[in-house]
Amino acid sequence: SQQGEEDPQALSIQEGENATMNCSYKTSINNLQWYRQNSGRGLVHLILIRSNEREKHSGRLRVTLDTSKKSSSLLITASRAADTASYFCATDAGAQKLVFGQGTRLTINP
Amino acid sequence: EAQVTQNPRYLITVTGKKLTVTCSQNMNHEYMSWYRQDPGLGLRQIYYSMNVEVTDKGDVPEGYKVSRKEKRNFPLILESPSPNQTSLYFCASSWDLGLANEKLFFGSGTQLSVL
Repeated sequence: SQQGEEDPQALSIQEGENATMNCSYKTSINNLQWYRQNSGRGLVHLILIRSNEREKHSGRLRVTLDTSKKSSSLLITASRAADTASYFCATDAGAQKLVFGQGTRLTINP
Repeated sequence: EAQVTQNPRYLITVTGKKLTVTCSQNMNHEYMSWYRQDPGLGLRQIYYSMNVEVTDKGDVPEGYKVSRKEKRNFPLILESPSPNQTSLYFCASSWDLGLANEKLFFGSGTQLSVL
C-alpha cells in the first residue's frame, strides 16, 4: 500500500522560480525522506527529517514536517534546469522498509 | 567510489525463461532491498534482507526469489518471468534500516521487458 502521496503530480516552472511539492502520509512515522530521480535512473537521497523535527534545510532545499496533519513539503529555491527530475517522498514507519509515494515530476523551463 | 551496482541495465526476455538480475554494494551495508517501479504505482518493495542469510518478503514478492549468501550481493531471480513483471527494477542498500534515520542508496536500475 502506498503511504506517501505527492502533490502535484507534475509541476512546470521557470528557471529561477521556487518549486514546492507536498507529501501526505497515513500512519505514524520515524522519519520522512525526499529523493530525486533523473529520467529512469536510480533515486538519490536529498534530505531526511525526523518525526520530532519541524523544518530542515540543505542548500537550496527546505523541508517541513507537520505530524499532526501527516504532511510534508519540499521547497526548492532559485530553481535551475538541472533540478528537472521526479521527486519522491518516502516514509519510514518501521517494518524494515521505506514506503514511497508516486512522485512529483518537476520541469524547469529555461 | 561507494556505490550499488546492478546488472544488466536493460534486459529483454521471453515468458518463462529464467533470469537473474545481479546487485552488489561496496559499502559493507547490512540491509539490502529490491523495488520495482511502475507508472502510476510508484516504487513497491519486492524483498529485503537485513543480513546474510536473512531475507523477507516485501509488498509484491510473488514471482520473485532472492538470496543473500554474501553481505555484498543480493541477486533477484525470476524463475518463470511473465509479462506483468515488465518493470524498472532497483536494488538499494543501507547500513541498517532497522536503525532510525537511515537512508537508502540506490543502484541505477534494470529495465526489464518480458515478451
